[in-house]
Amino acid sequence: EVQLVESGGGLVQPGGSLRLSCAASGFTLSNYGMHWVRQAPGKGLVWVSGINADGSRINYADSVKGRFTISRENAKDTLYLQMNSLRAEDTAVYYCAREFRSGIWGQGTMVTVSS
Amino acid sequence: QSALTQPPSVSAAPGQKVTISCSGSSSNIGNNYVSWFQQVPGTAPKLLIYDNDQRPSGIPDRFSGSKSGTSATLGITGLQTGDEADYYCATWDGSLSAAVFGGGTKLTVL
Repeated sequence: EVQLVESGGGLVQPGGSLRLSCAASGFTLSNYGMHWVRQAPGKGLVWVSGINADGSRINYADSVKGRFTISRENAKDTLYLQMNSLRAEDTAVYYCAREFRSGIWGQGTMVTVSS
Repeated sequence: QSALTQPPSVSAAPGQKVTISCSGSSSNIGNNYVSWFQQVPGTAPKLLIYDNDQRPSGIPDRFSGSKSGTSATLGITGLQTGDEADYYCATWDGSLSAAVFGGGTKLTVL
């Protein structure tokens, strides 16, 4: 079964850091571009970052540029999102997704930034 | 404010048809493919339409997509109570070098 499973979410204080992981199974991660998308409580979907199949092209939303880093370890079929200098407004469910046209999304992991 | 504009809500009776619009610009919809997602609160988004008008396997033909210029439209016919959800359009924006989502449209089946 083709599947993405996120992990690493939790409660963190403002200014803190978290690293999210997204484990792929049922397909070879190295063949696909990947995205992180977040959704604040009661709000809409917001794209955070994307990386192409071999990691040579990376893009970020302005709201996270300089604070978040997307990376991938294709040998482990795992995508990452390193989040530093976290703010209250980063509180959201974070989803990893394969290229949007594929329709493969994880179940999401909740990140709460609060003191 | 989203780069793509959707109506906040639409409603229609069971069995009827509804359309959801997604308005953008030449930097996004005008020059890139559009996808549509359905999201029931508390669950991950589900792909309904990709590449403007293509349905993934398993998506009934009650759902359709179209694009004209800098706008895209999702159509749903034969509405069912199970179609109540939030709907989002998405595409790539070349000027922003970012993927963009619409603000979402809540569908109510009265």
